[in-house]
Amino acid sequence: NFMLTQPHSVSESPGKTVTISCTRSSGSIAGNFVHWYQQRPGSPPSTVIYEDNQRPSGVPDRFSGSIDSSSNSASLTISGLKTEDEADYYCQSYDRNNYVVFGGGTRLTVL
Amino acid sequence: EVQLVESGGGLVKPGGSLRLACAASGFNFNNYRMSWVRQAPGKGLEWVSSISSGGNFIYDADSVKGRFTISRDNAKNSLFLQMNSLRVDDTGLYFCARVSFNELIDYWGQGTLVAVSS
Repeated sequence: NFMLTQPHSVSESPGKTVTISCTRSSGSIAGNFVHWYQQRPGSPPSTVIYEDNQRPSGVPDRFSGSIDSSSNSASLTISGLKTEDEADYYCQSYDRNNYVVFGGGTRLTVL
Repeated sequence: EVQLVESGGGLVKPGGSLRLACAASGFNFNNYRMSWVRQAPGKGLEWVSSISSGGNFIYDADSVKGRFTISRDNAKNSLFLQMNSLRVDDTGLYFCARVSFNELIDYWGQGTLVAVSS
């Protein structure tokens, strides 16, 4: 099976833009959709991006997703950072046998 | 409103067993694949097991294969996880999750805590 690798942590100032990467170890990143979840302390995860770049209703358009086949990675970009964006973010994909794979998670600090 | 409510967690000794349950409401349970996802204290999310809508296809993570068994009762809108031969590294918060298209987890329960310790 493959792995999804994320940076352990990122930090940025309010109002700035941050990008969190998610690199697939084997197989094409474009072969299966990537979803992104936000998890605040004490709460279950919630979806911020699904199917690589789709935003659920209620998620601000400051959140966007993309994939890059050249680096075999997906990215979550948050612009106009707010303190409320401080959370853990996880990417997730799956293989042809429907085995679910999560990235290790990235702690976003907005300072 | 979709609700997933887990129960059955607790403290158990290594080698012991637990049976987790998840009561689902607010949607047509027998139309959806369901999963268990766990999170060790201070760690990331780990997929555990999934079961197809009818219960005839089951997928398990290698870390639990042969020890955990996922099942469902569509008549009672319930999902289960039978956990045997528990190990210390099985400790964590276990989430019941509804799986939508392309393996997107669109709803999560609040989780039930499993602690494996001697």
